[in-house]
Amino acid sequence: AQSVTQPDIHITVSEGASLELRCNYSYGATPYLFWYVQSPGQGLQLLLKYFSGDTLVQGIKGFEAEFKRSQSSFNLRKPSVHWSDAAEYFCAVGAAGGADGLTFGKGTHLIIQP
Amino acid sequence: DTGVSQDPRHKITKRGQNVTFRCDPISEHNRLYWYRQTLGQGPEFLTYFQNEAQLEKSRLLSDRFSAERPKGSFSTLEIQRTEQGDSAMYLCATGVSTEAFFGQGTRLTVV
Repeated sequence: AQSVTQPDIHITVSEGASLELRCNYSYGATPYLFWYVQSPGQGLQLLLKYFSGDTLVQGIKGFEAEFKRSQSSFNLRKPSVHWSDAAEYFCAVGAAGGADGLTFGKGTHLIIQP
Repeated sequence: DTGVSQDPRHKITKRGQNVTFRCDPISEHNRLYWYRQTLGQGPEFLTYFQNEAQLEKSRLLSDRFSAERPKGSFSTLEIQRTEQGDSAMYLCATGVSTEAFFGQGTRLTVV
């Protein structure tokens, strides 16, 4: 069965500092990987996705993620965070075809210190 | 706004009552998903439609839950005889491939 682990429940970062959110997945085939962001009371917004090709993918809002097959990881990074980045971040894995939907991690709550 | 639309945004209901939620997809999106999200958790897959056909259902979808997408456009999710454990955010997502775009969700509170 597929699963996603986000080891950090909360992360606190100073504004302007760099950020890395960890994501490890378990999946039997070639995974499709996603990062979503959720602000309080809102739905999920797609930050970036990896299907194939270049293992470093760029997303919106200055985020990037690197797929490492050998480590089963898909960590999210940003070189300099802004106060508006404070939110819940979810990593997700899915199959080509998408019939079973996405499997999400439990999320990482990002707190930005002034 | 041409995003995924969900209605209502909030619903408070008494235990035992039936509730129905609606999802209007982005135009031409043939795939539609329902997810449930409880506090402190990521969304959990409930069911998947391709056009009007319901192709996948999670074991989370008990027989009190039913979903329809009658004309391959909007979808409804009904919960019968609600229980307090049904309190959650119900999210709809639509797409044309594995990538999915989420609505803002319907927050259900069962009292």
